[in-house]
Amino acid sequence: DAGVIQSPRHEVTEMGQEVTLRCKPISGHNSLFWYRQTMMRGLELLIYFNNNVPIDDSGMPEDRFSAKMPNASFSTLKIQPSEPRDSAVYFCASSYFTASYEQYFGPGTRLTVT
Amino acid sequence: GQQVMQIPQYQHVQEGEDFTTYCNSSTTLSNIQWYKQRPGGHPVFLIQLVKSGEVKKQKRLTFQFGEAKKNSSLHITATQTTDVGTYFCAGYRGSTLGRLYFGRGTQLTVWP
Repeated sequence: DAGVIQSPRHEVTEMGQEVTLRCKPISGHNSLFWYRQTMMRGLELLIYFNNNVPIDDSGMPEDRFSAKMPNASFSTLKIQPSEPRDSAVYFCASSYFTASYEQYFGPGTRLTVT
Repeated sequence: GQQVMQIPQYQHVQEGEDFTTYCNSSTTLSNIQWYKQRPGGHPVFLIQLVKSGEVKKQKRLTFQFGEAKKNSSLHITATQTTDVGTYFCAGYRGSTLGRLYFGRGTQLTVWP
């Protein structure tokens, strides 16, 4: 299994630009999680899906952030417009929660907004 | 608010010394998991504890789950430089469809 796949691995963009992060979960997993990691705030859960349905988006910082999961094998996290304070590492993780609850993390996308 | 507290935030040890990180939850957990994140890497699952008072070992690592299922610890005996990284505990509260509540992590530095 290839594990959780994220793209791009690095993204540098200018303030005001739209940023789209992509995630392909492990095949067969039914839960998908988007996290943001910074030195100041640690690992924060932004949103998670179960069977492609958003369950809790209370961690999404503001309306500039949106996430979709159109099917079981793909999810996107979009920031529009981006701001310097959005600079962080964004992780996608997936799990099969009815069997076990361990989460498998992707390699992350390091986002820098200048 | 912070659901799962983890201490210490940082720990520096000499190679060969022991290391312990502690995790406390404000609510009873269905299970607790531990993850390790190497510098520049992503969190990787280490182990899951489910039963009250459970103790599990992985070589030099010993994991415990409290009797009340609200606290947990990870103890590393005779640290090695390969143990460097950040250790996270993550609690599962049940009926949250797989959501984990992560602690802030303990960043371990091991001096040779």
